[in-house]
Order: sequence, then structure tokens, then C-alpha cells
Amino acid sequence: GAVVSQHPSWVICKSGTSVKIECRSLDFQATTMFWYRQFPKQSLMLMATSNEGSKATYEQGVEKDKFLINHASLTLSTLTVTSAHPEDSSFYICSARDIRLAKNIQYFGAGTRLSVL
Amino acid sequence: QKEVEQNSGPLSVPEGAIASLNCTYSDRGSQSFFWYRQYSGKSPELIMFIYSNGDKEDGRFTAQLNKASQYVSLLIRDSQPSDSATYLCAVNPGNQFYFGTGTSLTVIP
Repeated sequence: GAVVSQHPSWVICKSGTSVKIECRSLDFQATTMFWYRQFPKQSLMLMATSNEGSKATYEQGVEKDKFLINHASLTLSTLTVTSAHPEDSSFYICSARDIRLAKNIQYFGAGTRLSVL
Repeated sequence: QKEVEQNSGPLSVPEGAIASLNCTYSDRGSQSFFWYRQYSGKSPELIMFIYSNGDKEDGRFTAQLNKASQYVSLLIRDSQPSDSATYLCAVNPGNQFYFGTGTSLTVIP
């Protein structure tokens, strides 16, 4: 399967600071990447769909000014949590869509655990 | 109605038994179907994908797709304690991906 790298895997920050999370597709080009959030013992929640070269599409209820997404290249999307607060503490997971061979498969990064103090 | 429905479980099976996980979907235009496994505290990993009606086997895993009835299932033969995880069903109609809420499976030694 394809490889998606997500960095950092764990970050602790003070309330009010911003945190940037990177998501890279290592062996394929991804025109579309997805950002999810998952709270303990809950299901994945799609936050936004990131398309290379265009603005991200945010799901209802997700603040686009708080969760900035940039997909500047075919292998890199970033999520910046601006002015983070304790309620933003969660497990953030990115994924990238691999359309090679018309299989249209979504591969996940390892996730980033964010703790806001 | 949710796009993808799964029984949240928990589903418990004894070691060596067959675990059966089911998923139904609402969009008849869906073409691609996926099963992901998610261990606690980890991100989902792809187990299988299926596009055509019928069965697809990979080792101990068999995915079954019935488009007429709009369901897809995953069978795990000879279940092992290491199979204990949450299993997510995903459906891909067009450019969207829809995930079920997952079924928690526990394999009892």
C-alpha cells in the first residue's frame, strides 16, 4: 500500500499558541487529502477536504479560520490549529487519496495527538 | 439516514472462530468499498477493498459485496486476539468518502 507520513506524532502546547501538522504522501501524488479529528472512543469526524491548488472544503461546524489548511503541492497538506485551546485537544488524522490504477483508495497517516494545556 | 451504517458492537468471538462484520450503505451509486482496522489510539489502516459483487479473499479476511442489497461484509476466519480492534467500513460514491462509526471486535483467548 501507499505511505502517508504525518508529523508530528505528538505535540503539547500552551493555550493560545498555534500548531502546524504536516501530511505527506511519500510514494504517490495526492490531489486530495482529508483531515479528520477523533475524540477518545468516538468515531472519525471529517473536518475538511483539501484539494491541491485550491481552497479546502470544510465540513459544517468546522471553523475555517481556526483550522487553516494549505495544500500547496501534490504531496503535502498542512493543518494549522490557530490559537489552540484545551477543547482542541484531540487526535488529528490526515489521509490522502491514491487514484493510481483507478482504485481511489484513501490511506491514513499515523495521526497527531494534540494536547493543549 | 446515515450514508453508512454499522453495528457498533461490541462483538465478541472466541479465538479461532469466524468474526462477521456487516455494513449497509445508502447511495446506490457507490462503486468502491473499503474495510479499515483501527487499533485503540492508532489511525485506521486499510485491510481490504472491493469493487465487484461477490467475494474477495485475502488471507484470513474475506470481503463480501452485494450491491443489490446495498451491504458489504467482512469475515475474519480463525480470529486471533490481535484482531481485536474497531473495524471501519467506508464507501466511495464519486469524490466523497463516507465512513461508518465502526464495529468494535474483541477476540477472546
